[in-house]
Amino acid sequence: EVQLVESGGGLVQPGGSLRLSCAASGFTFSRYWMHWVRQDPGKGLEWVSRINSDGSSTSYADSVKGRFTISRDNAKNTLYLQMNSLRGEDRAVYYCVRVGDFWSGYYDYWGQGTLVTVSS
Amino acid sequence: DIQMTQSPSSLSASVGDRVTITCRASQTIRNYVNWYQQKPGKAPNVLIYSASSLHSGVPSRFRGSGSGTDFTLTINSLQPEDFATYFCQQNYGTAPTFGQGTKVEIK
Repeated sequence: EVQLVESGGGLVQPGGSLRLSCAASGFTFSRYWMHWVRQDPGKGLEWVSRINSDGSSTSYADSVKGRFTISRDNAKNTLYLQMNSLRGEDRAVYYCVRVGDFWSGYYDYWGQGTLVTVSS
Repeated sequence: DIQMTQSPSSLSASVGDRVTITCRASQTIRNYVNWYQQKPGKAPNVLIYSASSLHSGVPSRFRGSGSGTDFTLTINSLQPEDFATYFCQQNYGTAPTFGQGTKVEIK
């Protein structure tokens, strides 16, 4: 059974940092592109970042570029999101998602999400 | 970024009704549209990919159509478990983007 389990969310002050982790199991993690998608509670979905299967290529939404860093450890089957210089508008549930098909880009598995709250 | 304008933002329907949700892209995106269903407190689940392909395990009452800039999700014979929020997503541009969502409520 495919599972994605996020951790690392919590309350942080503006300007602070958090590192999210996503532990993957039930599939060959190293074969899949992975993304982070966030959702402000009660609102819409926003793509945050993506990384290719071997970790050599990454990209970011303009809203987080220069502040967030996506990475992965294929030996540990884990995806990461390092978030620095956090702002109030970064408050959201962060989902780790697997790309089911490269061309269509649909997300076939989602984690349960981890809530990040940025407040003083 | 490519904008996805989804409508309506909410609708009320009865069990057995046919429901139609639309998404319009700000530029042509061929068939690079996916549809998701989200229930309260849960992560989204994919329903349709590549505009019209039904994901494994999704009931056949869900149907996707469209290409270019205009896309439609149709739910035939709405069931009690279909009351949820639906999102479209485009994967044509450099950054994936989502529609604002459509909440389907019980009339």
